[in-house]
Amino acid sequence: DAGVTQSPTHLIKTRGQQVTLRCSPKSGHDTVSWYQQALGQGPQFIFQYYEEEERQRGNFPDRFSGHQFPNYSSELNVNALLLGDSALYLCASSLERSGETQYFGPGTRLLVL
Amino acid sequence: AQSVTQPDIHITVSEGASLELRCNYSYGATPYLFWYVQSPGQGLQLLLKYFSGDTLVQGIKGFEAEFKRSQSSFNLRKPSVHWSDAAEYFCAVGPGRRALTFGSGTRLQVQP
Repeated sequence: DAGVTQSPTHLIKTRGQQVTLRCSPKSGHDTVSWYQQALGQGPQFIFQYYEEEERQRGNFPDRFSGHQFPNYSSELNVNALLLGDSALYLCASSLERSGETQYFGPGTRLLVL
Repeated sequence: AQSVTQPDIHITVSEGASLELRCNYSYGATPYLFWYVQSPGQGLQLLLKYFSGDTLVQGIKGFEAEFKRSQSSFNLRKPSVHWSDAAEYFCAVGPGRRALTFGSGTRLQVQP
């Protein structure tokens, strides 16, 4: 049973660029949430997607956007990158009808120079 | 607003000693509570969760946690720590199916 997968594992960008991160949920899951984890801190909620719609959003600017596809996979897009966007980006999946528990992927480490 | 406080940033214990990691939360309703563990460079692995019922919950790797509503606490315990338990531990609270709020984590170091 495949767990949550994310790609790429690492990437380096420069300020002002745009980046797209990808997530495939655990088999059978239909809900995807994204979190940002800065160095030395706990994860912070960015947004959650269900039925291809963003249904909850954390305190992040509009530069952060996402998408969920019919196969439940998801993308996180960040525009106009800032140095402060350097972090580990975690994807978590759950099952809406019974899924109080979110299962996390290994993350994508983004470095903005 | 919901919040989680993990008062201990860093804890060092000897292998074989007992462990207790503290977690205090603020939440307006009955919380869903979680403990996750993160090894260096890795994602989060679920250790255990509490939704309702018995306030003492058992998890993987020999961990347990006790929910105390009167103290707004959900402390994680293990009777005998192994060197492989060295990692960062995060407590989280949420309404279920929605955003989780995490504490800032406790880094556990295990001495031989």
